[in-house]
Amino acid sequence: DADVTQTPRNRITKTGKRIMLECSQTKGHDRMYWYRQDPGLGLRLIYYSFDVKDINKGEISDGYSVSRQAQAKFSLSLESAIPNQTALYFCATSSPTTVSGANVLTFGAGSRLTVL
Amino acid sequence: QKEVEQDPGPLSVPEGAIVSLNCTYSNSAFQYFMWYRQYSRKGPELLMYTYSSGNKEDGRFTAQVDKSSKYISLFIRDSQPSDSATYLCAMSMTGTASKLTFGTGTRLQVTL
Repeated sequence: DADVTQTPRNRITKTGKRIMLECSQTKGHDRMYWYRQDPGLGLRLIYYSFDVKDINKGEISDGYSVSRQAQAKFSLSLESAIPNQTALYFCATSSPTTVSGANVLTFGAGSRLTVL
Repeated sequence: QKEVEQDPGPLSVPEGAIVSLNCTYSNSAFQYFMWYRQYSRKGPELLMYTYSSGNKEDGRFTAQVDKSSKYISLFIRDSQPSDSATYLCAMSMTGTASKLTFGTGTRLQVTL
């Protein structure tokens, strides 16, 4: 099984619908992240969580919300999806310990969301 | 102007070639530099990591940082078709993952 599992892998929905993307991890890491990847814009951080009670906004949090249900689970919600939220979404984890000073991210395989 | 610039490619090279992938950046406070590799329909995975200036080698891969020019490079020697992927540079002032700034990625195709 993958260290970081995202569901669904693909989703097509309509404008105005509520969507939840789920992420679970088996690495035992406290820190979890949601990124969005768009062509020409790269990876942008939406939300991150350092533990169950610590949720932080990233660069592009508007229109999104998150829930950290447990250490291993971090879900991303779009309350009312709009077409410009069509993108590839990645969940990631990192350990608080560092590799020569830096936290290393472990990514899931991604969830492709299309909003019509 | 973006904080981190990366040529999107695609870059097509024959098998066995030496590949040079590059990123430029504007924030002179960046000290942690990473290269992630992303295969199609997969998430990025860390390939190389360098702190401050200098070179780091790992097998066929060499990461190079020139802080005076605000320029980082990833060299791939004896490129293989399995190296075909998108390569993302990422950098930060601190080592904290939540402060990473990613490049847009360069798509590399290694042909037989």
